[in-house]
Amino acid sequence: QAQLQESGPGQVRPSETLSLTCTVSGDTMLGYYWTWIRQPPGRGLEWIGYEYYGGGGSSYNPSLKSRVTISVDTSEKQVSLKLTSVTATDSAVYYCARLDTAHYAMDVWGEGITVTVSS
Amino acid sequence: DIQITQSPSSLSAAIGDRVTITCRTSQSISTYLNWYQQKPGKAPQLLIYLASNSQTGVPSRFSGSGSGTDFTLTIDNLQPEDFATYYCQQSYSVPQTFGQGSRLDI
Repeated sequence: QAQLQESGPGQVRPSETLSLTCTVSGDTMLGYYWTWIRQPPGRGLEWIGYEYYGGGGSSYNPSLKSRVTISVDTSEKQVSLKLTSVTATDSAVYYCARLDTAHYAMDVWGEGITVTVSS
Repeated sequence: DIQITQSPSSLSAAIGDRVTITCRTSQSISTYLNWYQQKPGKAPQLLIYLASNSQTGVPSRFSGSGSGTDFTLTIDNLQPEDFATYYCQQSYSVPQTFGQGSRLDI
């Protein structure tokens, strides 16, 4: 059974780059879209974007597109998120999730990591 | 972007009740609509995919219906562990979008 675990710094300074990693265990990465979603404190879910397991299939939320990059490393079984030029509005719980292409739904989620943008 | 209007934003119910949550999308999405349950401090969990299909392990009291622009999540015989926040999500087109959430309280 697949398990996802997010890791990275819990605090990032304004204007710097937020970098997170999601490590996949218990299953293959093949055939899935690897997705990042975030949730600001007390608010709803926002889709950040995804990348296909083999690369070349990325899509990003237009609201973040100029600042975000998602990449997949199948040899390390990791998915990374980079978000540049962060501000306080980027403070959120960040989740990685697996999009099942058979069901077009996110069937496995990480537990999430809280990131605060503050100096 | 496809907008989703989810209602109600909050509702109160009792053990054993039946509740219904609805999502309406700004354009037709066929059946590319999923439902998730989120408990405080936890990640969302998939309940229903492609509008009406139950994820493995989800109790049968959860059901989904709809197509096009109107969708419904129904929970029969509410149990204590069902009190949570529920989100719908469209996977028809990118950017994928979520409803605003429905908080279910006792």
